[in-house]
Amino acid sequence: RKEVEQDPGPFNVPEGATVAFNCTYSNSASQSFFWYRQDCRKEPKLLMSVYSSGNEDGRFTAQLNRASQYISLLIRDSKLSDSATYLCVVNMKNFNKFYFGSGTKLNVKP
Amino acid sequence: EAGVAQSPRYKIIEKRQSVAFWCNPISGHATLYWYQQILGQGPKLLIQFQNNGVVDDSQLPKDRFSAERLKGVDSTLKIQPAKLEDSAVYLCASSWTGTGAYEQYFGPGTRLTVT
Repeated sequence: RKEVEQDPGPFNVPEGATVAFNCTYSNSASQSFFWYRQDCRKEPKLLMSVYSSGNEDGRFTAQLNRASQYISLLIRDSKLSDSATYLCVVNMKNFNKFYFGSGTKLNVKP
Repeated sequence: EAGVAQSPRYKIIEKRQSVAFWCNPISGHATLYWYQQILGQGPKLLIQFQNNGVVDDSQLPKDRFSAERLKGVDSTLKIQPAKLEDSAVYLCASSWTGTGAYEQYFGPGTRLTVT
């Protein structure tokens, strides 16, 4: 079983739509959680960390459900510039190890 | 603050040749990672260093891949001999080691094509 699993998509949505991605992780000892964004032929860049209480950054909201071992990312009012692959990342603090999902591709269309 | 530096950005070699990649992490970041990312997949960890020591190299194909971080700062990753399936982007990342969430910062990557 993979450490981190994501729906690869693609999610094709119109501008202005709300879209949500989920990600599940297998190790209950995981301690830190992140969403990274990766544009085509670019390196991954941190979008946001995911905190237990949930957190919001503008149009982006991240949630963590430890009991069910999943993380979500909600994007409101989608922009064309949101088109990218979104990587779910889980960290094992004791070893500072990061596990990446395979990514969910988002296409926002005019 | 300078980001993670990698070179070269692109490399084309023939199978059975050797190649080396270089990475300089963000100043002060003790942990350095090398990832392999094949098109359509997430990054796969090859090796992780803490200062100049190896923390995890369980997914490094040691018969052909090697990496070092001799002075605990910059690092090199070598492939010898290369195979067609090594065609991928090789990403270097670094993170600070301390309390709190450990965010990683990536370099621009080296795109390797093996023909």
